[in-house]
Amino acid sequence: DGGITQSPKYLFRKEGQNVTLSCEQNLNHDAMYWYRQDPGQGLRLIYYSQIVNDFQKGDIAEGYSVSREKKESFPLTVTSAQKNPTAFYLCASSPQGQPQHFGDGTRLSIL
Amino acid sequence: DAKTTQPTSMDCAEGRAANLPCNHSTISGNEYVYWYRQIHSQGPQYIIHGLKNNETNEMASLIITEDRKSSTLILPHATLRDTAVYYCIVREILTGGGNKLTFGTGTQLKVEL
Repeated sequence: DGGITQSPKYLFRKEGQNVTLSCEQNLNHDAMYWYRQDPGQGLRLIYYSQIVNDFQKGDIAEGYSVSREKKESFPLTVTSAQKNPTAFYLCASSPQGQPQHFGDGTRLSIL
Repeated sequence: DAKTTQPTSMDCAEGRAANLPCNHSTISGNEYVYWYRQIHSQGPQYIIHGLKNNETNEMASLIITEDRKSSTLILPHATLRDTAVYYCIVREILTGGGNKLTFGTGTQLKVEL
């Protein structure tokens, strides 16, 4: 089936460790996005990529890094520099200019 | 950034139409209005979008006022499965052509028997 796969669904890490969240799509979409959601809040854009080997910072990029080596993959690394990493992370993809479609998210908890 | 204002919560009886309002008084002429919904602990689901004209698809209808300063999402026959947070978003065009969706806190719709 076509779709966006985020893994794992739940992730636990110790404070000070980097952690990488996976996002894969088989929809042949050019653009991919990472959002963060805190309890009771809307989504905030972390990074986005509109083409392979290119990506741009969103509104809250500090403490995060991404790569886009393949069209179907857009992994997000939460670094130790991110002061409050516990959150629900959502990946989305879209054809250019078309609605974004979201994965089911990864819930990250820092122990 | 074009901002949107939505009621915090609404209730609707199952089988009745749910009408969710949204104000976007600072919208620009070429900005689209998008609606998404999010069921707890899942990713947002795209519902519908529009620019000027009213739009309808299998999920909902979108009514945009002539001055484009407000819109209403209509779920014609709400079911319990429509209970979710509904987000009204004004889409921004990013440098290079991508879309930016700025999610507010949305409207919590509760459909009851």
